[in-house]
Amino acid sequence: AQTVTQSQPEMSVQEAETVTLSCTYDTSESDYYLFWYKQPPSRQMILVIRQEAYKQQNATENRFSVNFQKAAKSFSLKISDSQLGDAAMYFCAYRSAITGTASKLTFGTGTRLQVTL
Amino acid sequence: DTAVSQTPKYLVTQMGNDKSIKCEQNLGHDTMYWYKQDSKKFLKIMFSYNNKELIINETVPNRFSPKSPDKAHLNLHINSLELGDSAVYFCASSQAGFGGADTQYFGPGTRLTVL
Repeated sequence: AQTVTQSQPEMSVQEAETVTLSCTYDTSESDYYLFWYKQPPSRQMILVIRQEAYKQQNATENRFSVNFQKAAKSFSLKISDSQLGDAAMYFCAYRSAITGTASKLTFGTGTRLQVTL
Repeated sequence: DTAVSQTPKYLVTQMGNDKSIKCEQNLGHDTMYWYKQDSKKFLKIMFSYNNKELIINETVPNRFSPKSPDKAHLNLHINSLELGDSAVYFCASSQAGFGGADTQYFGPGTRLTVL
């Protein structure tokens, strides 16, 4: 079974600064997807960024980028130029890409990000 | 237009009651899911349906029964509610259900409180 670990329960960053959230995972599969979801106080789950394991290039979405290290099974999220609206719980998630495997997201325990002035 | 909607958003009820949560998606997706988020914010899959067929059934008490009348709807019925059922329940949908290269889109969640 796959597991996802987020070792930072809480992080804090000043507005306009950069912060990195850590995520490691354990799997015996070679083909999978990794995601970062954001959950603001409204509790809506919002997709931030997605990475396909077969792609060596790190995914980027505007101010959000990942550092995907497949051999180390590490998938960190970097938020640049942090904004007050980035304050939220951030969840790392894993999904198998094996054909025929029913898709389900396996989540980490989350990191609460505070953004200060 | 709301892509994945859930009703109700809040549900407060007494122990022992039976309640249902409804979910609808207008994305044309084939697969729908129920996740549970506990008081520590941990999210875990409960069920998944692909074209009205149950494809994921995690270790969930049989008091929980999902029903999918069509591929745009997935409801969750809970019998004999217990205090430990208090949580936020999220519905989600995706285009494919089997290893597809797609993203799951979540509804706004239903906060269930059992007194």
